[in-house]
Amino acid sequence: DAMVIQNPRYQVTQFGKPVTLSCSQTLNHNVMYWYQQKSSQAPKLLFHYYDKDFNNEADTPDNFQSRRPNTSFCFLDIRSPGLGDAAMYLCATSRAGRAYEQYFGPGTRLTVT
Amino acid sequence: GQQVMQIPQYQHVQEGEDFTTYCNSSTTLSNIQWYKQRPGGHPVFLIQLVKSGEVKKQKRLTFQFGEAKKNSSLHITATQTTDVGTYFCAGDTGNQFYFGTGTSLTVIP
Repeated sequence: DAMVIQNPRYQVTQFGKPVTLSCSQTLNHNVMYWYQQKSSQAPKLLFHYYDKDFNNEADTPDNFQSRRPNTSFCFLDIRSPGLGDAAMYLCATSRAGRAYEQYFGPGTRLTVT
Repeated sequence: GQQVMQIPQYQHVQEGEDFTTYCNSSTTLSNIQWYKQRPGGHPVFLIQLVKSGEVKKQKRLTFQFGEAKKNSSLHITATQTTDVGTYFCAGDTGNQFYFGTGTSLTVIP
């Protein structure tokens, strides 16, 4: 089945220690998104890639970076995680731009100690 | 501040009762999408509305997009326990894509 896969499902990192979350897709979609979702809140879009074009949301902190080495994979790098970065990180894909339905992965729950 | 607000934040209904969540944006949206997120799960796409005044139905679910393209609603007729979850609207202002604040639905058997 075509799907969006996120690894790991749970990640524990130390305060200030860089961490990378990964996402892969078998849908062959052009767009990949990263969202941050804190408890009982809405998903917040951090950035997205349209093919190789990176689009950062205006209020995404510089601490968050992303890489998309190929169509299938996208990575979220948190350079110096703070306690406030503990959250669920959701990867999503869509066939084209934001006007198209998004398919979400199961998420990676990040804990910062 | 938050661009897309939903009311109510929480709703408890008896199974069989109807449920409505309202989505309001401070700016005009090019389109509106609705997602459902079950407890512990990830958002799942339900529908997209594009045209002003558009109404779409999916079985017991009815979706509306306002004439000014600033508001939307989701109405569920005769709720079932499988309807439990948080319902989010999401829209594109042209500059940014926002999820609404969500409405958490609890259905009491």
